[in-house]
Amino acid sequence: DVKVTQSSRYLVKRTGEKVFLECVQDMDHENMFWYRQDPGLGLRLIYFSYDVKMKEKGDIPEGYSVSREKKERFSLILESASTNQTSMYLCASSPFRAPLRAGLNTGELFFGEGSRLTVL
Amino acid sequence: SQQGEEDPQALSIQEGENATMNCSYKTSINNLQWYRQNSGRGLVHLILIRSNEREKHSGRLRVTLDTSKKSSSLLITASRAADTASYFCATPALIQGAQKLVFGQGTRLTINP
Repeated sequence: DVKVTQSSRYLVKRTGEKVFLECVQDMDHENMFWYRQDPGLGLRLIYFSYDVKMKEKGDIPEGYSVSREKKERFSLILESASTNQTSMYLCASSPFRAPLRAGLNTGELFFGEGSRLTVL
Repeated sequence: SQQGEEDPQALSIQEGENATMNCSYKTSINNLQWYRQNSGRGLVHLILIRSNEREKHSGRLRVTLDTSKKSSSLLITASRAADTASYFCATPALIQGAQKLVFGQGTRLTINP
């Protein structure tokens, strides 16, 4: 079975702290994604990556950055956490070949268990 | 940018009854997917239906797709308490030159014993 592991299920941080959310997948997937999930807003894409050292902005990249130094690991970074970044963060991966350009099917995503971040 | 929208937002039924959730989307798609999320957990893929398919089954799940109406439905038959979860449809959308999955806000399903 595909396994996507997020390093922390629950985190509590203070405003202004730098926060790292780590995600590792074990199925050699090319594509990895970071979403945040908020009540009433659903899942919103923050960043995604279709190859090592590649990254593309999603719908809400402001206040976030990402790192993909190795194929299996995709990190989400909050340079200076703010209270409006309190949320559930979900990492996902998919095996479809990158880039995910128009005309290609977008297949199944495999999600981690989520990281619930509270910023005080 | 919202592509798929689920209806109803919440649904509560008795165990053993059937549950139907609907999803509407805005632009042409090549597939539509349904996911389940148990409270506080990640999403789990349930089923993918391609644009040239009208109906697909997986166990107690039945998904239909009507591309002329840009809508899909998820039917769970003979519901069980373990089916209590949120259900999301997801569709590909072109954003900044790349095709990504966009999720609706979900239907929260409660199965009462």
